[in-house]
Amino acid sequence: AQSVTQPDIHITVSEGASLELRCNYSYGATPYLFWYVQSPGQGLQLLLKYFSGDTLVQGIKGFEAEFKRSQSSFNLRKPSVHWSDAAEYFCAVGYTSGTYKYIFGTGTRLKVLA
Amino acid sequence: ETGVTQSPTHLIKTRGQQVTLRCSSQSGHNTVSWYQQALGQGPQFIFQYYREEENGRGNFPPRFSGLQFPNYSSELNVNALELDDSALYLCASSSPSTGGQETQYFGPGTRLLVL
Repeated sequence: AQSVTQPDIHITVSEGASLELRCNYSYGATPYLFWYVQSPGQGLQLLLKYFSGDTLVQGIKGFEAEFKRSQSSFNLRKPSVHWSDAAEYFCAVGYTSGTYKYIFGTGTRLKVLA
Repeated sequence: ETGVTQSPTHLIKTRGQQVTLRCSSQSGHNTVSWYQQALGQGPQFIFQYYREEENGRGNFPPRFSGLQFPNYSSELNVNALELDDSALYLCASSSPSTGGQETQYFGPGTRLLVL
């Protein structure tokens, strides 16, 4: 069965430090992978997506993610975190089983220290 | 801004009541998916509507139902509300792509509290 694991429930980093949020997936075919960000009480904003091709994808707000098929991972990175990046981050796999839908991980809450 | 709107933003109901949530999809999108996000969890797929027909359903009971209208806006109806239905309900719009390379764009959500 398809699944998405985000091993880190909470992460705290200092402003200006680098960030890596982990995402592992289980899916038998070529995955369509997404990262979304959710500010408190808000909906989900798309940061970036991977469908095929170059395994390093660039997104908005200075984020990037790398697809590693051998590790079934799609980790999100940012070289220098800003205080406004504090939010919850969700990794998702898009797949078709009768209909196209997403499976989300449980999320990683990012706290940024000034 | 995704162009996906939802109403109302917040709602309080009591057990046993019925609720209707609304979603307007992004211009050019003919598919709407609904997700339930319980506190501290990732969103869970409820169902999807494509061209006014239900196009797939997650593991939710029949008291969760929906509609899609000719302008592709959508409603989510929940009957016989239970306390566990308290959650953020998210609507996502998309347009099917060849090869399944589809991106869903989410609205701000409706926060439902069942007392």
